Amino acid sequence: NAGVTQTPKFRILKIGQSMTLQCAQDMNHNYMYWYRQDPGMGLKLIYYSVGAGITDKGEVPNGYNVSRSTTEDFPLRLELAAPSQTSVYFCASSYSTGQVYNEQFFGPGTRLTVL
Amino acid sequence: GQQLNQSPQSMFIQEGEDVSMNCTSSSIFNTWLWYKQEPGEGPVLLIALYKAGELTSNGRLTAQFGITRKDSFLNISASIPNDVGIYFCAEYSGTYKYIFGTGTRLKVLA
Repeated sequence: NAGVTQTPKFRILKIGQSMTLQCAQDMNHNYMYWYRQDPGMGLKLIYYSVGAGITDKGEVPNGYNVSRSTTEDFPLRLELAAPSQTSVYFCASSYSTGQVYNEQFFGPGTRLTVL
Repeated sequence: GQQLNQSPQSMFIQEGEDVSMNCTSSSIFNTWLWYKQEPGEGPVLLIALYKAGELTSNGRLTAQFGITRKDSFLNISASIPNDVGIYFCAEYSGTYKYIFGTGTRLKVLA
């Protein structure tokens, strides 16, 4: 299994440009997540999905959009990039959550710089 | 909102030394998690703790869930260079909600 894969690893955007960060998992996990990690900070949840066709906002969703058309893929879209979106983005997946914790598996991250 | 205070922020230690870091919360949670993040990688789960007072080991790592359910610590014994990285505590409160600490950056000097 490849686990959770993310592309690209690095990207530089100009203010106002758009891009899609790709995330895929091959573990048949139903839950998927997008986090951002700012320097010296912990991870903040942007969006999450409990299954294909179902997404919901996390703690910091403004400026982002997501879709979940398949179990495997969970792309994150930036429509109008801003310097405040400079960060490292992590995708994660887990098998069904709920009240019992199930381990989250993280991708290697995408380092995004907006100039 | 809920916060996790993690300390220390960074540590420089000699190889072979023991390391201790801790995490405190303003709220009570049911699950404490400890992750390690190596440069250029995503976090990887080290230890999960499920009940107050629980003490769990994973090789040279030992973590405990505080009896007040508001704190946890992680110890690393006999540190080695490969222990370098950022260690995060996190809490899981159900459904999608994970709260991460700000991390302890560990550097091990050979």
